[in-house]
Amino acid sequence: QVQLVQSGAEVKKPGASVKVSCKASGYRFTGHFLHWVRQAPGQGLEWMGWFNPNGGTTYYEQKFQGRVTMTRDLSIDTAYMELSRLRSDDTAVYFCARDSYVSGTSLIYILDFWGQGTLVTVSS
Amino acid sequence: DIQMTQSPSSLSASLGDRVTITCRASQSISTYLNWYQQKPGKAPKLLIYAASTLQSGVPSRFSGSGSGTDFTLTISSLQPEDFATFYCQQSHSAPTTFGPGTKVDIK
Repeated sequence: QVQLVQSGAEVKKPGASVKVSCKASGYRFTGHFLHWVRQAPGQGLEWMGWFNPNGGTTYYEQKFQGRVTMTRDLSIDTAYMELSRLRSDDTAVYFCARDSYVSGTSLIYILDFWGQGTLVTVSS
Repeated sequence: DIQMTQSPSSLSASLGDRVTITCRASQSISTYLNWYQQKPGKAPKLLIYAASTLQSGVPSRFSGSGSGTDFTLTISSLQPEDFATFYCQQSHSAPTTFGPGTKVDIK
C-alpha cells in the first residue's frame, strides 16, 4: 500500500536550517510529483511547492523562494525539504503529500496520500 | 493567487444531522476543487476531488457539488467519526490554495 513516512520532530534555533525527509513506498517513486504543505499550530494548510522525483525539477511558492530546497535520493525513494534561515513563525507541522496524477512529467494538484507530518519547532 | 473562503468557520451538529459546508473561490475555477478532512494530530485525508468525485474508500454519505466559484460539501447523516475540520482546495492554478477550514464538532 502507498505510504509516505516522514522523519521525526526537530527543534531548531532561529537562523538555523532544517531538513525533513519523506520516504515513499508502495508505488513507483518517480511516477508522481510530491508536494510539501505546512500547518502552523491551530492554523490552516499552507502549500510550499512541488517536487518532481523524475528529473528533480521544482516549483516553490513565492513566499518560500530563496529559503526552501527540495531534493531527492532515488536510491532510497526519499524526498527532502530543507528550509533555511528559520524564524519563529516557521514553527509548524510539515507534510509531504503525493500528487495523484500518474506521470513523470505532469501534475494535477490533487493530494491523495500524505505523510504523517513532522513538527518543526523554532525557538531560542 | 486565487483566494478560497469557507463558511461557516465552525458548526455544531448532532449525530444523524445533514451538514453542508460552503467554499467560495475568488475567481472561476471550473470544477478544480477538492475537499479534505483532517482530525486532530493527523494528516489531511482526500475526500472529494474535481468538485464531486468521491475518493476511493470514502463513504457515500459525503458528496460534493458546484462549479465556477461556489461549491458545497454535504454529509448526509453525520457519524461519530466525521467530527473533524474540513478544508477545500483549488487545483485550477499554481499556487494551489486552501480554504481556512470548517470545524465540525458535537452539539
